[in-house]
Amino acid sequence: EVQLLESGGGLVQSGGSLRLSCAASGFTFTNFAMGWVRQAPGKGLEWLLTISGSGGATNYADSVKGRFTISRDNSKNTLYLQMNSLGSDDTAVYYCARENWDWPYFDYWGQGTLVTVSS
Amino acid sequence: EIVMTQSPATLSLSPGERASLSCGASQSVNSNLAWYQQKPGQAPRLLIYGASTRATGIPARFSGSGSGTEFTLTISSLQSEDFAVYYCQQYNNWPLTFGGGTKVEIK
Repeated sequence: EVQLLESGGGLVQSGGSLRLSCAASGFTFTNFAMGWVRQAPGKGLEWLLTISGSGGATNYADSVKGRFTISRDNSKNTLYLQMNSLGSDDTAVYYCARENWDWPYFDYWGQGTLVTVSS
Repeated sequence: EIVMTQSPATLSLSPGERASLSCGASQSVNSNLAWYQQKPGQAPRLLIYGASTRATGIPARFSGSGSGTEFTLTISSLQSEDFAVYYCQQYNNWPLTFGGGTKVEIK
């Protein structure tokens, strides 16, 4: 059974940093690209970043380019999101999600972790 | 960036009725379109990919159609568990983009 478990969310001050983790199990982690998607309170879904299975290729949304970094440790089956220079607009539930093996839609999602940025 | 527009924002229907949700793209995405269902407090769940292919375990009452810039998600007969928010997502071009969602609520 595919499982994705995010951790690391919480309350952070404006301008601060936070690192999220996503522990994956139930599939061959290195074979799949992974992504982060967020959802602000009461709002829709926003794709943020994607990393290839090997970790050698990434794609970023303009809204996070230069502030957020996606990485993975395939030896630990773990995906990471390093978030810097956080602002109130970054308050959201952050989901990690597995991308389908051939196209970047999301076939499995974690339960999400809430990040709250206080001013 | 491809802008995805969903309509209506809210759909009020009774159990057993047919639901038709629309998703439009600002430029062609071919058939590279997915639909997701999200219930309160839960993560999204993949329903449809390739515009019309049901994901594993998705009931046959869910169907998708369309290509290019116009897409439809149809729920043939609403069950109580289908009242939720539905999102479309294009994956033809980077950045990946989602529609704003359609809430299907009980009338």
